[in-house]
Amino acid sequence: AQSVAQPEDQVNVAEGNPLTVKCTYSVSGNPYLFWYVQYPNRGLQFLLKYITGDNLVKGSYGFEAEFNKSQTSFHLKKPSALVSDSALYFCAVRDEDFNKFYFGSGTKLNVKP
Amino acid sequence: GAVVSQHPSWVICKSGTSVKIECRSLDFQATTMFWYRQFPKQSLMLMATSNEGSKATYEQGVEKDKFLINHASLTLSTLTVTSAHPEDSSFYICSARERQGLLNEKLFFGSGTQLSVL
Repeated sequence: AQSVAQPEDQVNVAEGNPLTVKCTYSVSGNPYLFWYVQYPNRGLQFLLKYITGDNLVKGSYGFEAEFNKSQTSFHLKKPSALVSDSALYFCAVRDEDFNKFYFGSGTKLNVKP
Repeated sequence: GAVVSQHPSWVICKSGTSVKIECRSLDFQATTMFWYRQFPKQSLMLMATSNEGSKATYEQGVEKDKFLINHASLTLSTLTVTSAHPEDSSFYICSARERQGLLNEKLFFGSGTQLSVL
């Protein structure tokens, strides 16, 4: 069975500082991993994905994520946080038949000026 | 980019009535759409997978007679909550899959529907 875990309900960071939002996964077979962001009163938006290739994936709004197979992690990172990055972030895994996505519990990112 | 329109964005109904939620892919054909339910401070829970022209596949624990899903065309899927009760109050989100080959696939989400059953 596929699953993802986001161990932090909330992450607080000061504007300009680097941020990390953690995600670990459990899959049978090759992992297909995604990050989505949910802004208040808006739907989920795609940030980035890892299917194959380079372990460091770059996505929208300056975000990147590093796939680490040995640690079964796919942490989301950004070198310099913006107040506008404050939102709810979801890590997701897609199962082998490409037909279902399973989401983590979400991490609320608070970036303070 | 691809857009998914979901409406209504919120609905209040009396217990026992049925509510229909629509999900449309506006500029792409979505052979597969997903319906999720989100409880406060919790993750998205996959309810069912909807494939155009065939019956929806429901996740374990989701009542298919309670949550009717219809995917009549490549751009429209509907979720009908039948005989709604207060415990059905939740935030429902649809998503549509745009697939352009195995390695080029994205999910696009609607903005969600907040259902409140009185």
